Amino acid sequence: DAGVTQSPTHLIKTRGQQVTLRCSPKSGHDTVSWYQQALGQGPQFIFQYYEEEERQRGNFPDRFSGHQYPNYSSELNVNALLLGDSALYLCASSLAGGPGSPLHFGNGTRLTVT
Amino acid sequence: AQSVAQPEDQVNVAEGNPLTVKCTYSVSGNPYLFWYVQYPNRGLQFLLKYITGDNLVKGSYGFEAEFNKSQTSFHLKKPSALVSDSALYFCAVRDPGSNDYKLSFGAGTTVTVRA
Repeated sequence: DAGVTQSPTHLIKTRGQQVTLRCSPKSGHDTVSWYQQALGQGPQFIFQYYEEEERQRGNFPDRFSGHQYPNYSSELNVNALLLGDSALYLCASSLAGGPGSPLHFGNGTRLTVT
Repeated sequence: AQSVAQPEDQVNVAEGNPLTVKCTYSVSGNPYLFWYVQYPNRGLQFLLKYITGDNLVKGSYGFEAEFNKSQTSFHLKKPSALVSDSALYFCAVRDPGSNDYKLSFGAGTTVTVRA
C-alpha cells in the first residue's frame, strides 16, 4: 500500500521563477494538506484541499496556490519565488470523515531559491 | 486560535533511561492531540494521538503520552530510550469544535540518546 508520494524530491530555482510541486495521497485518503517547514522550525500550514476545493488556508500570500484533481492528487504552485520560500514542502493526506484521523506525510520536496 | 508549545529545544538522555518530551497546548475547546517524529531528510511519522477517553495513550515504538487537561499538557514518554529514538519530535493540536481543519505544530524538540 503506497503511502504519500511527492515529486520532485529536490528543486533549485531562481528568485522570481515559478514552481509546481506534486503530491499523490495515501490510498483511500481524500484530503490533502500542504505545509512549509523552514529549517529548524515546525511545519506551517499552507492550505488544505477537499473535493477539489480549497477548504482552508493558512497565513500565506496569494503567490501560493494549489489544486486538487478528481483522483485526489494535488499540486502546490508558488509564483514569484523569494529567497525566503526556501524550505521543505510537505504534503499530508487524511480522511475527511475522520476528524481525529492522523495526517500521513510524504518525504517532502526540498526547494532552494537562489 | 489553537497552538502548542514545546518548551525544550533539545533533550539528551542515556540509552536505557526514561525519555520525556514536553508539550503544552492552547485551544478553546477539547483538543485532538498528536505526536509525530521526523528523521533527517524525511517527512513526519505519526506516533500516537489523543482524541477522547483514557488519558494515557500508547503508540508506536513503545511511546506513550499522558493527556492532562488541568495542566493543558500532553507529554510524550518512553520508559527506556534507544539510540534509534534520536530524532526530531513534534507535538500538534487540532480544535475539533471549531471550523479549523488544520493541525498546528510546535517548533519541535530534538532528542539525542547517547549509547
